[in-house]
Amino acid sequence: ETGVTQSPTHLIKTRGQQVTLRCSSQSGHNTVSWYQQALGQGPQFIFQYYREEENGRGNFPPRFSGLQFPNYSSELNVNALELDDSALYLCASSSNSDTQYFGPGTRLTVL
Amino acid sequence: EDQVTQSPEALRLQEGESSSLNCSYTVSGLRGLFWYRQDPGKGPEFLFTLYSAGEEKEKERLKATLTKKESFLHITAPKPEDSATYLCAVLSGGYNKLIFGAGTRLAVHP
Repeated sequence: ETGVTQSPTHLIKTRGQQVTLRCSSQSGHNTVSWYQQALGQGPQFIFQYYREEENGRGNFPPRFSGLQFPNYSSELNVNALELDDSALYLCASSSNSDTQYFGPGTRLTVL
Repeated sequence: EDQVTQSPEALRLQEGESSSLNCSYTVSGLRGLFWYRQDPGKGPEFLFTLYSAGEEKEKERLKATLTKKESFLHITAPKPEDSATYLCAVLSGGYNKLIFGAGTRLAVHP
């Protein structure tokens, strides 16, 4: 059974740029959630996708957007990057159970 | 507003010295409480799910318990490889949104 994978592992961008992060969900999982984790803090919910539709959103501005594809993989897009966007971005997948399984994360640094 | 508070922020133990981590929560209708382990720079690794007060789950040296207001993660005779950040989270909202605490950083020294 393949777990949740994310790419890239690390990314360095400058302020104002745009970035796309990718996530492949665990086999059999149809729901993908994205979280942002700043250093020393717990993950914060960005949004969730279920069967290609946004299913819920946290307190993040519209420049954070996402997609889910028919194979349940997902993308997180962030426009107009700000210094405070530097964080570990985590993707989690789940099925009909409530348990979310996390990927290894993408470390984004904004200079 | 749903909220999760973990204590202590950091804990240093000697190998073999048992202890407990605390997770206090405020949520309108608990649908699940989760414990994860996170190593530096990596994604959280699922440990346990608890659904109702009185429930207990065990895995190796770890035991999670749940009351109506808090959960405890008991670590018995820890080893250096148990060193990590332990995160507690609750399910919130009509969809499966996790609300996390800030975590407890555990360091176990030989």
